[in-house]
Amino acid sequence: KNEVEQSPQNLTAQEGEFITINCSYSVGISALHWLQQHPGGGIVSLFMLSSGKKKHGRLIATINIQEKHSSLHITASHPRDSAVYICAVDTQGAQKLVFGQGTRLTINP
Amino acid sequence: DADVTQTPRNRITKTGKRIMLECSQTKGHDRMYWYRQDPGLGLRLIYYSFDVKDINKGEISDGYSVSRQAQAKFSLSLESAIPNQTALYFCATSDPDGSSYNEQFFGPGTRLTVL
Repeated sequence: KNEVEQSPQNLTAQEGEFITINCSYSVGISALHWLQQHPGGGIVSLFMLSSGKKKHGRLIATINIQEKHSSLHITASHPRDSAVYICAVDTQGAQKLVFGQGTRLTINP
Repeated sequence: DADVTQTPRNRITKTGKRIMLECSQTKGHDRMYWYRQDPGLGLRLIYYSFDVKDINKGEISDGYSVSRQAQAKFSLSLESAIPNQTALYFCATSDPDGSSYNEQFFGPGTRLTVL
């Protein structure tokens, strides 16, 4: 079993829908990261959080440390949100990231 | 200009050839990483370096070697390429600056095909 599991692996939705991507992890962490990878391949960091909730525009990330679970929400989804979303955890003491397998999101107009 | 650059961006080579992938960064970060990405498997760590004199194996280092020529440069070599090394390769940098957070900044990726 992977230390970081994402669900769903693939998600297709219509423009305007509310999107939720989930990430569960089984190790102790110091922080959790959400990354976005566009079809061109480049990877950018969206959020880094260790507790609570963060919001950037239409994107919201939450984390529940006790339940070892994080969610990434997208409100009013748009076709330009189509990408692979990757969850990664910063494991305590290891100073390395462990990555989930990614969630491929497709938003249709 | 991009902060983390990788060359080449695409490479097709044959089994048995030696290949070098190069990564340069202008962020001034001490930490650099090489990952490979395969469909359905996510990013996996090949090697990482926390400074010029520090090189560490990641989870999938067999068949690869690295060189940290300077703070800004970290190269990945495939001494004798094989087809199952066909993948997308990413370089990344980070600078936790005393915190335990490890936000990483990725290069654009190198798509390597070994025939």
